[in-house]
Amino acid sequence: NAGVTQTPKFQVLKTGQSMTLQCAQDMNHEYMSWYRQDPGMGLRLIHYSVGAGITDQGEVPNGYNVSRSTTEDFPLRLLSAAPSQTSVYFCASSPGPRSGELFFGEGSRLTVL
Amino acid sequence: AQRVTQPEKLLSVFKGAPVELKCNYSYSGSPELFWYVQYSRQRLQLLLRHISRESIKGFTADLNKGETSFHLKKPFAQEEDSAMYYCALNNAGNMLTFGGGTRLMVKP
Repeated sequence: NAGVTQTPKFQVLKTGQSMTLQCAQDMNHEYMSWYRQDPGMGLRLIHYSVGAGITDQGEVPNGYNVSRSTTEDFPLRLLSAAPSQTSVYFCASSPGPRSGELFFGEGSRLTVL
Repeated sequence: AQRVTQPEKLLSVFKGAPVELKCNYSYSGSPELFWYVQYSRQRLQLLLRHISRESIKGFTADLNKGETSFHLKKPFAQEEDSAMYYCALNNAGNMLTFGGGTRLMVKP
């Protein structure tokens, strides 16, 4: 059982480039979310989805886009990368409302030069 | 707005010593609180949640609504407890708000 799979694990971008972080889960979870992890700031919610076709903004959505065309996939797009987006990104899924238990991917370390 | 504060970035103790990782929160409703742990080279995972009132790996956490705290405790630390610990608050939409994290180092 793969759980939550993120790709790529590492990526280096130049300022202004675009890219997509992929996230897939095989647990048939309705809820999926993207967090960024920065030292001393914990994990901050970027975007989330409560089901296919439904997405919403989290705490730090600027510079990122998401879509949820299927239950399994929740890609995160950086439209024009900036050095402030250098971070570790985590995708997570959850079985449903108020469960509180998020299942995380391994993380994607992104560096923007 | 909800907020979770973990005042210690780093906590270093010797093996066998008691451990308390502090967590304070602000939330207008009835809070649901969790502790997540990230061991070296492993995924972030749920350690425990306040509603279950359970002990996991010797850790317990009690919700104190009067002090708005949810401190994580263990009477005797082990080296394998060394990890990054995050306190988290569940808002109404099942999206967690995390604290800044505390790195626990247990020295032999």
